[in-house]
Amino acid sequence: EVQLVESGGGLVQPGSPLKLSCAASGFTFSSNWLNWIRQAPGKGLEWVASINPDGSSTYYPDTVKGRFVVSKDNAKNTGYLQMNNLRSEDTAMYYCARTRYYGYYFDYWGQGVMVTVSS
Amino acid sequence: DIQMTQSPASLSASLGETVTIECRASEDIYNGLAWYQQKPGKSPQLLIYNANSLHTGVPSRFSGSGSGTQYSLKINSLQSEDVASYFCQQYYDYPYTFGAGTKLELK
Repeated sequence: EVQLVESGGGLVQPGSPLKLSCAASGFTFSSNWLNWIRQAPGKGLEWVASINPDGSSTYYPDTVKGRFVVSKDNAKNTGYLQMNNLRSEDTAMYYCARTRYYGYYFDYWGQGVMVTVSS
Repeated sequence: DIQMTQSPASLSASLGETVTIECRASEDIYNGLAWYQQKPGKSPQLLIYNANSLHTGVPSRFSGSGSGTQYSLKINSLQSEDVASYFCQQYYDYPYTFGAGTKLELK
């Protein structure tokens, strides 16, 4: 059974960093893309990062480019999202999700982890 | 960026009814479209991919159709467990973008 479990969320002050983790099981993590999608309270979904299977290529939307860094450790079956210089508008539930290939749909999602940016 | 316009924003329907949700892309996305269902307090779950392919385990009352810039999700014989929000998403090009969502309630 494919499982993705996020951790590391919490309440942080504006300008602070935070690192999220996504523990994967039930599939070959090293052969799949890892993605992060967020959802502000009561709002829609926004894709925030993707990384290819071997970690050599990453993609971001302009809203987080230069502040967020996605990575994966295939030996630990774990992905990460390092978020720097956090802003109030980054407050959201963050989900990790799997895609099989470049330009593909998110076939499995984690349960999400909440990040709140507030002073 | 490809904009995804989803309609309606909310929908009220009766048990057993057929409902349709529409999604329009700002340019041709060549069937690179997925539909997700999100129940309250839960993460999104994949329903449909490649515009019309049913994901594993999804009931056959769900179906997708469309091409080019126009796509739709149809739910036949609405069940109580279908109460949820539904989102379309294009994965034809980066940045991946989602529709704003449709909240489906029972009448």
